[in-house]
Formats: sequence, structure tokens, C-alpha cells
Amino acid sequence: GIQVEQSPPDLILQEGANSTLRCNFSDSVNNLQWFHQNPWGQLINLFYIPSGTKQNGRLSATTVATERYSLLYISSSQTTDSGVYFCAVLFSGNTPLVFGKGTRLSVIA
Amino acid sequence: SAVISQKPSRDICQRGTSLTIQCQVDSQVTMMFWYRQQPGQSLTLIATANQGSEATYESGFVIDKFPISRPNLTFSTLTVSNMSPEDSSIYLCSVDSSGTADTQYFGPGTRLTVL
Repeated sequence: GIQVEQSPPDLILQEGANSTLRCNFSDSVNNLQWFHQNPWGQLINLFYIPSGTKQNGRLSATTVATERYSLLYISSSQTTDSGVYFCAVLFSGNTPLVFGKGTRLSVIA
Repeated sequence: SAVISQKPSRDICQRGTSLTIQCQVDSQVTMMFWYRQQPGQSLTLIATANQGSEATYESGFVIDKFPISRPNLTFSTLTVSNMSPEDSSIYLCSVDSSGTADTQYFGPGTRLTVL
């Protein structure tokens, strides 16, 4: 069946470090989004990226649709980057948005 | 992007009671969705709220437990009925203004605790 797998499940970083979060998906996609859920539960859109590369400040994302994965890069991490990062995929065929289980990031000062 | 508000932001309820959660959007949107996020878990779609017709529920969710209204293109409600502690979750409203669910935006969520 359709699946979205994220790795690593947990990540602890020292402030200033860089990190790469991965999202693997099982089938062709119409859309892929990265979200950050802050400690208060708010889901914040980071990227809409069904293919290609995008950058927004210290964050960037790359999706290689033909190889069925996406990467989220966080550079020079800050404590405010802490929270859970979700990858969500809209698979071809009119299925609902499918969320991965998330990567829980803790950035320590 | 759309600005989405939810009420209440949080609540503590007794077993057996019901709670209605409201979702308001600042613009007309075609598609509205309701999600549940159980503690420490990912998001699961409950249903798609359709304007002018009954909601479309995902497997494992039924209308008697989670009745949904969508009276217009900017508003929806989700009721959690006959609550039990297992219903303790964050409930999130989401919208997509494009009509194709390509890009979804989420409300701030309602944090529900059932005692």
C-alpha cells in the first residue's frame, strides 16, 4: 500500500549544527509538503515541493520524484527549530494527504 | 495562503459528553478537512467536509461519532460525540483553496483532554 516513511525518528542537535531529514514515499506523487509542528501544536507550512529544489533562509528542500524521496536540510540550527517535522504526500489517484510519522528535532543551546 | 482559526483552542471534558469544534477561514475555500493527532502520533484524516452535502469519512471514522457540518464556504464544525479518554487528541482543521488538495494549510488545532 501507499506509505510515507521519515527518518530519523528522533534527532538531537547542538545549536549551530546542520541536519538532513529524509522522506521516502512508495508511489508517484502529485504533491509533497514539509511541515514544522512547533511545541504548541501549530503546523507551519515549510515547502510545497513535488519535485526540484527550494530554499527559504536556513531551510532548503529537494524532492527527487523519480527516486521517490525528499530531503529537508536545516543549516545553522537554532533552538526555535525544535519540534516535529512532517512530510505529507498527495499520491496520484485522488487519495487524501498522507502524513509520515515525523522526525522529532531537539536543538540544544 | 488562508488564515484559519479554531475554537476552542483547548478543552477538558468529561467522559460521555460531546464537544463541537469550529473552524473559520478568512476566504472561501472549496475543500476543508478534519484531522486527528493522537498524543505523540502523526496526523490522521477523519473526513472531508463538503459544502452542501454530507462529509466523506475515512476508514475507521463514522458520522455518528464525528458529525460534521459545512454550512458555507468559510466555516465548518466537527463534533466529537460521547467522548472517552481515547478521544484525547489534537483536532486540526485544514483547507485547500485550489480545489485539488494540492497545498493544504492548517488551523492552530484544538487540544482536547477527556477525563
